Amino acid sequence: DVKVTQSSRYLVKRTGEKVFLECVQDMDHENMFWYRQDPGLGLRLIYFSYDVKMKEKGDIPEGYSVSREKKERFSLILESASTNQTSMYLCASSPFGQRASGNTIYFGEGSWLTVV
Amino acid sequence: AQKVTQAQTEISVVEKEDVTLDCVYETRDTTYYLFWYKQPPSGELVFLIRRNSFDEQNEISGRYSWNFQKSTSSFNFTITASQVVDSAVYFCALSEHSGYALNFGKGTSLLVTP
Repeated sequence: DVKVTQSSRYLVKRTGEKVFLECVQDMDHENMFWYRQDPGLGLRLIYFSYDVKMKEKGDIPEGYSVSREKKERFSLILESASTNQTSMYLCASSPFGQRASGNTIYFGEGSWLTVV
Repeated sequence: AQKVTQAQTEISVVEKEDVTLDCVYETRDTTYYLFWYKQPPSGELVFLIRRNSFDEQNEISGRYSWNFQKSTSSFNFTITASQVVDSAVYFCALSEHSGYALNFGKGTSLLVTP
């Protein structure tokens, strides 16, 4: 089974701290994504990466950066955490160009971040 | 630009009722992929279905069925004889290429009461 593992399930950080959310996938997927989920807003794409050392901005990249030094790992970085970044963060991965039917994007369990 | 609209924010039904969750999408692509996910209170996203734009066949899986209509850009999801365990938030999503980023709707929260 594909496994997408997010390093922390629950975090509490202080305003201004630098925060790292780590995501690792074990299926050699090319594509990795970070989403943010807020009540009433659904899931919104922060950043994505289609290859090592590549990154693309999603719909809401402000206040975030990412790092993909290895294929299996995609890190989300909050340079200076703010209270409006309190949210649930979901990592996902997918293989490139998968044309078969069925699921193609695999999600981690989510990281609940509270910034105080 | 792609867009997914789930107009129903919250739905409440009594157990054994049928319920339909609406999903309307916008895209300029001729090839695209539509998904439904379930998110129970525990938070993980559970994949339900993926449909390719060139396959308009409706699908049934147990109590779940999906009605894909390109003419109205809709991909609706029906739960027959709902159960309490169906209570969750359901998301419809759209992707322009297989494996690419998903555009999600805002979700529909379904509450099934005994």
